[in-house]
Amino acid sequence: GQNIDQPTEMTATEGAIVQINCTYQTSGFNGLFWYQQHAGEAPTFLSYNVLDGLEEKGRFSSFLSRSKGYSYLLLKELQMKDSASYLCATLNAGNMLTFGGGTRLMVKP
Amino acid sequence: DVKVTQSSRYLVKRTGEKVFLECVQDMDHENMFWYRQDPGLGLRLIYFSYDVKMKEKGDIPEGYSVSREKKERFSLILESASTNQTSMYLCASKTDWTGSPLHFGNGTRLTVT
Repeated sequence: GQNIDQPTEMTATEGAIVQINCTYQTSGFNGLFWYQQHAGEAPTFLSYNVLDGLEEKGRFSSFLSRSKGYSYLLLKELQMKDSASYLCATLNAGNMLTFGGGTRLMVKP
Repeated sequence: DVKVTQSSRYLVKRTGEKVFLECVQDMDHENMFWYRQDPGLGLRLIYFSYDVKMKEKGDIPEGYSVSREKKERFSLILESASTNQTSMYLCASKTDWTGSPLHFGNGTRLTVT
């Protein structure tokens, strides 16, 4: 089975750094995705990690520890447009993605 | 850019009606998915298909069926709509490559009264 946990809500200040954590327990783990979803819109792809370590992509970075069942998404130099929900999802061997409940991030001036 | 198109943005149906939600993708993706999204519950997989005429149950298939007669089209069917199926429905597609992301349609907000 799959079990994914991430905080429901977070608040941060414009220009700051925020880390959104995701822990998971999954069978047949084949990688972890992060998606961004603005209110009323479809989720959009941010990152994919399958090996341990940090992947950096501009202001966004994603980290994975397979042995700990843990990932985080790091957002630097926060902007108001980063206010959105951030979805953590694990991929199993059957090419199925299972999503966590999402973390709603509010960026304040 | 991959385009996933869902036929309706908003839909209102009555309890007991048969409802069809249509999804078309234009990038020749092998895999297509139907999710529903509810506040506090996140995205939950209803059904997916890895090839024409093939389908697999997701986490919450009860009350739903699907059809994939052509590679580009994946339909979700609510045999007899109920109020607890009021939700946002999202269709997505991806290639077979493990690391390829899901590409989502804009969603259909279905209200069953």
